[in-house]
Amino acid sequence: DAGVIQSPRHEVTEMGQEVTLRCKPISGHNSLFWYRQTMMRGLELLIYFNNNVPIDDSGMPEDRFSAKMPNASFSTLKIQPSEPRDSAVYFCASSLRMGLAGGPSAPNIQYFGAGTRLSVL
Amino acid sequence: SQQGEEDPQALSIQEGENATMNCSYKTSINNLQWYRQNSGRGLVHLILIRSNEREKHSGRLRVTLDTSKKSSSLLITASRAADTASYFCARRMDSSYKLIFGSGTRLLVRP
Repeated sequence: DAGVIQSPRHEVTEMGQEVTLRCKPISGHNSLFWYRQTMMRGLELLIYFNNNVPIDDSGMPEDRFSAKMPNASFSTLKIQPSEPRDSAVYFCASSLRMGLAGGPSAPNIQYFGAGTRLSVL
Repeated sequence: SQQGEEDPQALSIQEGENATMNCSYKTSINNLQWYRQNSGRGLVHLILIRSNEREKHSGRLRVTLDTSKKSSSLLITASRAADTASYFCARRMDSSYKLIFGSGTRLLVRP
């Protein structure tokens, strides 16, 4: 298996521009997570999906951020308009969630992509 | 904060020595996991310990969990230069499927 695939690996853009980050989860996985990593704040969960449905978006910082998962093999994270403080490494991760409502037996072992390093000038 | 604390923030040891990293948390958990992150890469799952377990081993890794103290430790024995990385603990709480990651420990193993 190719693992979780993210694109682009690096993105440099100017303030005010729209940025779209892409993620292809591991085939067969039904949960997908978007994280942001910075030196100051560490690894923050932005949003996660289960069976393509957003379950928890409480970590999405502002309305400028949006995420979609149109099918089981693709997700996007969009920032519009981008700001310099959005500069960070964005990770996508996937896992296989078994059982009802991810009960006690569902461990949630996550597999991460290589990340997208975003620089907003 | 739900993140809890990891200590030390940074650790430098000689190759062959053991490395111990600690993780504390505040709320009850379903399981606790440890991940490694090499520079410029994504996180990689290392080991998982459930709330009803006290110790687990995987190769040179040993994880302990003390739910009464809400703490866990990761021991890497006979360290190698290739173990140089950041190590994160992550908690899955009973009340939610998501993981809460700690701030990480940066480990440097000197050849």
